[in-house]
Amino acid sequence: DARVTQTPRDKVTEMGQEVTMRCQPILGHNTVFWYRQTMMQGLELLAYFRNRAPLDDSGMPKDRFSAEMPDATLATLKIQPSEPRDSAVYFCASTRGLAGGTNTGELFFGEGSRLTVL
Amino acid sequence: AQSVAQPEDQVNVAEGNPLTVKCTYSVSGNPYLFWYVQYPNRGLQFLLKYITGDNLVKGSYGFEAEFNKSQTSFHLKKPSALVSDSALYFCATEDPYNQGGKLIFGQGTELSVKP
Repeated sequence: DARVTQTPRDKVTEMGQEVTMRCQPILGHNTVFWYRQTMMQGLELLAYFRNRAPLDDSGMPKDRFSAEMPDATLATLKIQPSEPRDSAVYFCASTRGLAGGTNTGELFFGEGSRLTVL
Repeated sequence: AQSVAQPEDQVNVAEGNPLTVKCTYSVSGNPYLFWYVQYPNRGLQFLLKYITGDNLVKGSYGFEAEFNKSQTSFHLKKPSALVSDSALYFCATEDPYNQGGKLIFGQGTELSVKP
């Protein structure tokens, strides 16, 4: 049963520490998204990649956040330094991008990484 | 910019009654519209999508959605609600002209189905 795998599931850290979240997309999916979910803001798109190339990271605070895809099986989201306002659930999702730039529309989400910054 | 709005934060329904979760959209051109469901402590799951064609779209778990161009709406419906349908529901739109096709989600509607 193919699924998106995210680690860690839960992370508690102190303000100022570096946090790295990892995502393994479904094999064969070439488009990967990072979303952040909070009660106040709902689901926010942070960044996404097509064929490992970043397409849009305008939703991401550039001074402390960075997203990369070192290879087709791994996407990372890093926060350095972390702040209490970064506390949220971070979701990775993948899909098979179609020729012409659209997607099938069916994103497959991981279970999320719950981050708490004290 | 493409956007969707879910006017209700919460919807309460008795088991066995029909349910409707509302969504309106603001999209230039032909809209691509989606519904997702999120159960507690889980990731989102795809329910259904409208790209083109029949205005009534059928999806998973007995859900369906009706695309209404004149009202710019895409409401999610189910004829008979189950307690297990209780979850957070998200409407979403994709900009088909934006390379990569990112999904923009509404704020979500919490559906509570009581026995």
